Amino acid sequence: DVKVTQSSRYLVKRTGEKVFLECVQDMDHENMFWYRQDPGLGLRLIYFSYDVKMKEKGDIPEGYSVSREKKERFSLILESASTNQTSMYLCASSFYVRQRDNTEAFFGQGTRLTVV
Amino acid sequence: AQSVTQLGSHVSVSEGALVLLRCNYSSSVPPYLFWYVQYPNQGLQLLLKYTSAATLVKGINGFEAEFKKSETSFHLTKPSAHMSDAAEYFCAVSPPTEAGTALIFGKGTTLSVSS
Repeated sequence: DVKVTQSSRYLVKRTGEKVFLECVQDMDHENMFWYRQDPGLGLRLIYFSYDVKMKEKGDIPEGYSVSREKKERFSLILESASTNQTSMYLCASSFYVRQRDNTEAFFGQGTRLTVV
Repeated sequence: AQSVTQLGSHVSVSEGALVLLRCNYSSSVPPYLFWYVQYPNQGLQLLLKYTSAATLVKGINGFEAEFKKSETSFHLTKPSAHMSDAAEYFCAVSPPTEAGTALIFGKGTTLSVSS
């Protein structure tokens, strides 16, 4: 089974803290993604990466950065956490080139972050 | 740019009734299409996908969806709802010809099932 593992299910951080959310996948996928999920807004793409050390901004990158030093690991960094970053964060991975049998993204369990 | 619209943020059905969750996409070429399900406090799980083969796609847990190019739709159905189907459902789209791209998601539909 494909496994996408997020390091924490629940996190509580203080305003102004630097926060690291870690994600590891074991399927040798080139693409990795970070989404943010909020009620009524669905999933919004923060950043994605299609190769080691490569990154692309998504729809809502402000206040976030990412790091991809190894193919299997993709980290989301909140440089200075704020209360409006309280949300569910979902990591996903997929193959770089979508072919008929390998088109979907696989998701981790999510990290529910609360910033107080 | 591609986009996905899910009609109805909340759908309620009785156990045993037909489930219909609507999804329309906007794309210049027929895209790949997906339905994902999310149970409370969990990640997303793939229900089914359309990748330009058969237009009627069968997925897990008795769900199916039909790709209709003329209507730019990919509605999700299940003949008989079960209590365990209560969850949030997301439709997603991706271009079939671009590598290294992200799925684009709709805003989700919450399905409630009453006994």
